[in-house]
Order: sequence, then structure tokens, then C-alpha cells
Amino acid sequence: DGGITQSPKYLFRKEGQNVTLSCEQNLNHDAMYWYRQDPGQGLRLIYYSQIVNDFQKGDIAEGYSVSREKKESFPLTVTSAQKNPTAFYLCASSMSGYRTDTQYFGPGTRLTVL
Amino acid sequence: EDQVTQSPEALRLQEGESSSLNCSYTVSGLRGLFWYRQDPGKGPEFLFTLYSAGEEKEKERLKATLTKKESFLHITAPKPEDSATYLCAVPSYKLSFGAGTTVTVRA
Repeated sequence: DGGITQSPKYLFRKEGQNVTLSCEQNLNHDAMYWYRQDPGQGLRLIYYSQIVNDFQKGDIAEGYSVSREKKESFPLTVTSAQKNPTAFYLCASSMSGYRTDTQYFGPGTRLTVL
Repeated sequence: EDQVTQSPEALRLQEGESSSLNCSYTVSGLRGLFWYRQDPGKGPEFLFTLYSAGEEKEKERLKATLTKKESFLHITAPKPEDSATYLCAVPSYKLSFGAGTTVTVRA
């Protein structure tokens, strides 16, 4: 089955730790995205990548980093510089990076800071 | 700045009680509108894309319509399994999401 997988489903972080969230897709999509979802707010774009070895900051990139070494993978690192990282993180992909392409989402990772 | 506003924030329905959700937007040069369904603790699931004013799309008990200023998601004779948060999104330089409408359908 084609789709997007995210791991882990739940993640707990201590203050001062960096953590990495995994996102893999087998849809052969060129573009991948990371969003953050907080209660009562719309999804906010953290980073996106339209092609391997290239990525751009979204609206709330501070305290986050990404890499795109393979077409299938787009991991997100939440660094200790992110002041309020507790949230639900969603990875998405689309066929190309064109803005009207449909984005398909993974199941999400819930990150909690202890 | 592009804005997407969904109303109401929450909607409680009795099974079989039809209703509508609203998504209004301020985007210059609308190039489409997306509707997603999100169950608690899960990622959004794609429902529809509407590209031009007057367009309508249907899926089971859901029907989405689009005007120049807003979109409606009509839920006809809902069942408890239609309970979810419904998100709309509009592409500008990025995909801008509304905060969603949480629908609860009671048996």
C-alpha cells in the first residue's frame, strides 16, 4: 500500500534535548512538508522540500531543522532552541511542489516535553 | 495576509439532522480549495478539491460547494461515524488552513 508513515507515534522529550521525528513516503512524490498542529489553531508550516537536497523554511521554522537526502525521507529535528515544542506534528507529501497539488498526510507524531 | 476562517468551531448534531459548515477566505486569485477530515489523534484525510466558483463535489453524505468568497460542506443525514474535525485549506504561496469545525453526531 502506498502511503506516508511517521514514527514514533508518541515522543517524550526532556528539556534541552534534541529529538528527531521520522517521515517516510512511498508515493513517489517530489514534495514533502512538515506541519505543527496546536489545539484551536490551523496547521502551521514548519519546513517544506520540493526536491531532494533542497528545502525551505515555512512560517515557524525557528528551533527546527530538516534534511532531504532521499526522495522518500524527510526527517524533522526539534532542537532545544524550540521554546514550546509540545504539539502534534504532521508530515505531508504532494506529487510536486505546485501549490494546488493535493497534499496527503501521515498519521502524525505527538511530542510532549516533560 | 491570507486568512481562512471556519465556522462554527463546533457543531453537535443528532443523527439524521443535516447541517452545513462554512469556510471563508481572503486570498487574492483563488486557485482552489481543499477539504479534509481529521479524526482525533490522526492525520487529515483528503476529501475534496474545488477549483472554481459554482463547482460542487459529493462523497457519500458530504457535499462541498464553492463560491468566490467561501465554501460550504453540507452533511446530509449524518451518522455517528461522520463525527470528526473538518478542515479547509486554500493554496496561496503555501497551503493556508482554517482551524477546523469539530462535528459530533449523536445516535
